[in-house]
Amino acid sequence: DAKTTQPNSMESNEEEPVHLPCNHSTISGTDYIHWYRQLPSQGPEYVIHGLTSNVNNRMASLAIAEDRKSSTLILHRATLRDAAVYYCILREVNSGYSTLTFGKGTMLLVSP
Amino acid sequence: DGGITQSPKYLFRKEGQNVTLSCEQNLNHDAMYWYRQDPGQGLRLIYYSQIVNDFQKGDIAEGYSVSREKKESFPLTVTSAQKNPTAFYLCASSHRPLQGSSPLHFGNGTRLTVT
Repeated sequence: DAKTTQPNSMESNEEEPVHLPCNHSTISGTDYIHWYRQLPSQGPEYVIHGLTSNVNNRMASLAIAEDRKSSTLILHRATLRDAAVYYCILREVNSGYSTLTFGKGTMLLVSP
Repeated sequence: DGGITQSPKYLFRKEGQNVTLSCEQNLNHDAMYWYRQDPGQGLRLIYYSQIVNDFQKGDIAEGYSVSREKKESFPLTVTSAQKNPTAFYLCASSHRPLQGSSPLHFGNGTRLTVT
C-alpha cells in the first residue's frame, strides 16, 4: 500500500495561514490525494482531494508537487474551529475496489 | 439533510457478549465501510462493501462480522472472539467505489466499552 508521512503536530495562530505538509513518495499514477480532518469524538470530515493539479474549495487549497511525491494542505486563515487532526490519504484502486488507509495524521493546534 | 447515522453513540457490554453497531445512510451511496480507531491512533479498516449482498474483509476483520442486505444499512457485529473490542467505531460511505476520486462521508461514531 502506498503510504503517507505527516508531522505529528503543528501550531498556528488564529488568522494566520497554515501549510500542512504530506509526503507520499511511493504514490502511483492513479492515486488520488485526499485530506480529511477529525475533531475529538467525531467522525472525520472530508476537506479536499486532487490528482495532479492544485485544487481550491471553500475550506482549503491543495497544492500538489509536480512529481506528485508530496502535497500541502493550505488553510488560508486559521480559526479556532480548525484545530483538529488532519489526515493525508491516498485513495487507491486495488483489485477493483478502492479503500482508504489512515495514518496518525497531524494534530493542528490553533492559538488565539 | 442527507448523512450517515450511527447508533448508539455510547455502548457498554460485558465480555463474552456479541454486540451489533448500527449504520444507516440516506446518501444513496453504493459503498460502505467500517473503521476502528484506538486512542491516539489512525483509522483501521475492518470491513467494506461496494454493493448490496457483497462485502470484503479489511485489515483487521478477525472477530467482526457484517451484512449488507440493504443499500442503506451496513451493521457491524463485534463478536466475543474479538480480543480487544473496546474502541471508537466509525462507519463511512461513498459513491463510485471503483474510482479514487470519490470522498468518504463519515458518521459520528459509536464508542464501545467492553468490561
